[in-house]
Amino acid sequence: TQLLEQSPQFLSIQEGENLTVYCNSSSVFSSLQWYRQEPGEGPVLLVTVVTGGEVKKLKRLTFQFGDARKDSSLHITAAQPGDTGLYLCAGISGNTPLVFGKGTRLSVIA
Amino acid sequence: GAVVSQHPSWVICKSGTSVKIECRSLDFQATTMFWYRQFPKQSLMLMATSNEGSKATYEQGVEKDKFLINHASLTLSTLTVTSAHPEDSSFYICSARDPLAGGITSYNEQFFGPGTRLTVL
Repeated sequence: TQLLEQSPQFLSIQEGENLTVYCNSSSVFSSLQWYRQEPGEGPVLLVTVVTGGEVKKLKRLTFQFGDARKDSSLHITAAQPGDTGLYLCAGISGNTPLVFGKGTRLSVIA
Repeated sequence: GAVVSQHPSWVICKSGTSVKIECRSLDFQATTMFWYRQFPKQSLMLMATSNEGSKATYEQGVEKDKFLINHASLTLSTLTVTSAHPEDSSFYICSARDPLAGGITSYNEQFFGPGTRLTVL
């Protein structure tokens, strides 16, 4: 069974601070996705990383896929209250269903 | 981008009744749809994989006779929670896979619906 461990589980920071969320596995994935979910809504895809070592930027969010394609990180610069939400990483391996991590609940306080 | 809808967005029912939740891919054909359940403050747990025209594949621990899945067309999958009980109260989310998304890249992207909040009294 493929498992994805996310850390930290909970994070509460002040507006303007930086943060990094980690997603780790002992399994290799063909690609990895990051989602953000707000209460009462479905998850929304932020990015898909495919190549080992790949770095993608989405405004203040930077995503990195590990060289061995077993881990990924999400770094947010100058967090804002609008970044508050549940961040989920999900691994893709062939045609099997997505494997989700347990999520990181981020709260950014103004 | 691809859009997936769910109906209803929320439902409250009495214990012992059955509830049907619909998942539709609005602008693409989805040969495969997935049903997830999410309890408060937890991640998404896959319940079953729904394949158009064939039986669903259930994850371990999910009762197939209780959670009936029908994927009769390429744009619609339904989840029926039979004889619902309070412990079935949860947030149910579907996703649909667009086999044409990303062309021939190595991944098949899933698009998620907005979820259905089920409360069983």
